[in-house]
Amino acid sequence: AQSVTQPDIHITVSEGASLELRCNYSYGATPYLFWYVQSPGQGLQLLLKYFSGDTLVQGIKGFEAEFKRSQSSFNLRKPSVHWSDAAEYFCAVGAPLSGGYQKVTFGTGTKLQVIP
Amino acid sequence: EPEVTQTPSHQVTQMGQEVILRCVPISNHLYFYWYRQILGQKVEFLVSFYNNEISEKSEIFDDQFSVERPDGSNFTLKIRSTKLEDSAMYFCASSPIAGGLGTQYFGPGTRLTVL
Repeated sequence: AQSVTQPDIHITVSEGASLELRCNYSYGATPYLFWYVQSPGQGLQLLLKYFSGDTLVQGIKGFEAEFKRSQSSFNLRKPSVHWSDAAEYFCAVGAPLSGGYQKVTFGTGTKLQVIP
Repeated sequence: EPEVTQTPSHQVTQMGQEVILRCVPISNHLYFYWYRQILGQKVEFLVSFYNNEISEKSEIFDDQFSVERPDGSNFTLKIRSTKLEDSAMYFCASSPIAGGLGTQYFGPGTRLTVL
């Protein structure tokens, strides 16, 4: 069964600083990887996804993530954080199953605090 | 841009009561899902639904839970007799057929509070 580990529960960065959120996954085959963001009281918004191809994927709001198979990682990065990026970030892995659907397993999330 | 919608945004109920959470998936999507997030915990898969039947369910999805697509647009989650531990945010998601590689798009969630 697939699993996702987000080792950092809480991260604080200064506005304008760079950001990297860590994600490690466990899955036997090539995974489908996602990053979602959840603002307080809101739903889950997809930031970016990796299915295949280029291992560096670009997402919305200036985020990017790099898939590294050798490290089983899919870390999320942003070169310059804005105060509006304060939220909780979830890494997720999707396992394709017969019939076409997939089961998505989420990590425990990383709460990002942005200070002036 | 089309989006998944959920109603109500917040549901308060007494323990033992039945609740129905409603979702309207994106119109051309064919795969539907329910997840839940207990406060402070991670998002957990409950059930996936395709072609009018459950394709997979987690151990959380016991006999108290059921899902239905009563018409061409709605997708519902019913909890027959709510327990205190059912208090959580419930997210509906849908994905396009696209060979099963479709990304799951999530609704804003329904916060269920069981008293």
